[in-house]
Amino acid sequence: EAQVTQNPRYLITVTGKKLTVTCSQNMNHEYMSWYRQDPGLGLRQIYYSMNVEVTDKGDVPEGYKVSRKEKRNFPLILESPSPNQTSLYFCASSGSLGSPLHFGNGTRLTVT
Amino acid sequence: GENVEQHPSTLSVQEGDSAVIKCTYSDSASNYFPWYKQELGKGPQLIIDIRSNVGEKKDQRIAVTLNKTAKHFSLHITETQPEDSAVYFCADSGYSTLTFGKGTMLLVSP
Repeated sequence: EAQVTQNPRYLITVTGKKLTVTCSQNMNHEYMSWYRQDPGLGLRQIYYSMNVEVTDKGDVPEGYKVSRKEKRNFPLILESPSPNQTSLYFCASSGSLGSPLHFGNGTRLTVT
Repeated sequence: GENVEQHPSTLSVQEGDSAVIKCTYSDSASNYFPWYKQELGKGPQLIIDIRSNVGEKKDQRIAVTLNKTAKHFSLHITETQPEDSAVYFCADSGYSTLTFGKGTMLLVSP
């Protein structure tokens, strides 16, 4: 089954403790992206990647890192999480920009 | 895309009525306009999309119209059903990224 898999689905952590949210897709997609969803603000892009070893900042990249060492994986790294990063995070992929995006089921992160 | 405005933020209709959600965009280079439906606890799913060389596209009860001159596009759902209740997002894509509207919560009452 074609899918985007994010892990974990839920995560509660404390300020400053480094964490990684994994994202993997099995559709051989070149384009991958991370979004955060907050009430009243919709989906805001954090980082995106057009292909392996190519990443770019989205609208809200501060406090986040990403890497794209393999085509299928696009982890989101929070080196020192803060409470304002409490949010619902989505990973997505597509064959290219301008093709339909496939989303994972989300990771709900709480930073205390 | 650069900026996408979506209206209304909430829409309540009776089952069987039509629902219309409108979006405006600012980037003249935008050429791809998808609509996503997000059900509770799930990621958004594409329901219909349109490209800039087409003015209208229909898929059963769902249609999208695009007015490039006015830079706006709309989602039309006819004969709404309770299972249409969800949050709907419009988006536009230019050369570098996909930008989403803030979403519309559609509530369809039986």
